[in-house]
Amino acid sequence: EIVMTQSPATLSVSPGERATLSCRASQNININLAWYQQKPGQAPRLLISDASTRATGVPARFSGSGSGTEFTLTISSLQSEDFAFYYCQQYNIWPPWTFGQGTKVEIK
Amino acid sequence: EVQLVQSGAEVKKPGESLRISCKASGYTFISYWINWVRQVPGKGLEWMGRIDPGDSYTNYSPSFQGHVTISVDRSINTAYLQWDGLRSSDTAIYYCTRGQLLSDFWGQGTLVTVPS
Repeated sequence: EIVMTQSPATLSVSPGERATLSCRASQNININLAWYQQKPGQAPRLLISDASTRATGVPARFSGSGSGTEFTLTISSLQSEDFAFYYCQQYNIWPPWTFGQGTKVEIK
Repeated sequence: EVQLVQSGAEVKKPGESLRISCKASGYTFISYWINWVRQVPGKGLEWMGRIDPGDSYTNYSPSFQGHVTISVDRSINTAYLQWDGLRSSDTAIYYCTRGQLLSDFWGQGTLVTVPS
């Protein structure tokens, strides 16, 4: 099973600032990585697929990068609606698909 | 519009059986797998398993194999997640999702509570 490790667990950022979230895979997953956003009381929402492709309707301030074992989600200028939990998920080797434990982006 | 609408919250006793549902609309049901994902309150996401509605072929995570069963009824575009003997550790929100590799659409979630 591939283990996904996200860091940091919590990121405190002021509105308008840049946020950088990391996700590391325990083995090579090529670019088979997705990022999801989850707000309290809501289901997760797909943000990024194939490490860097934004899903339909996702604002351009969200960008993904990386390949192999190291990946990054960047939010260029945080808006109030971006404060949420973010999860990465690998889909290179399954079953099972595996998720990271999540990063909480909170208001500083 | 793609929608996955899940059944309502449940409260059950340990050892009881339960089946929750996920009704799909807005797309061709047999063209996309349905996955089930667990989220224990305050915790992260765990992929449980998936079903291909076209042929009912399933895969399960080793963590859930033998404890849950995933099925579909193609006639009503609905997928199911079933337990035959609930445990208190099954208390969680369960999401159905659409997708072969990643999950592009999610249901609203079903809260299952099994008091110890």
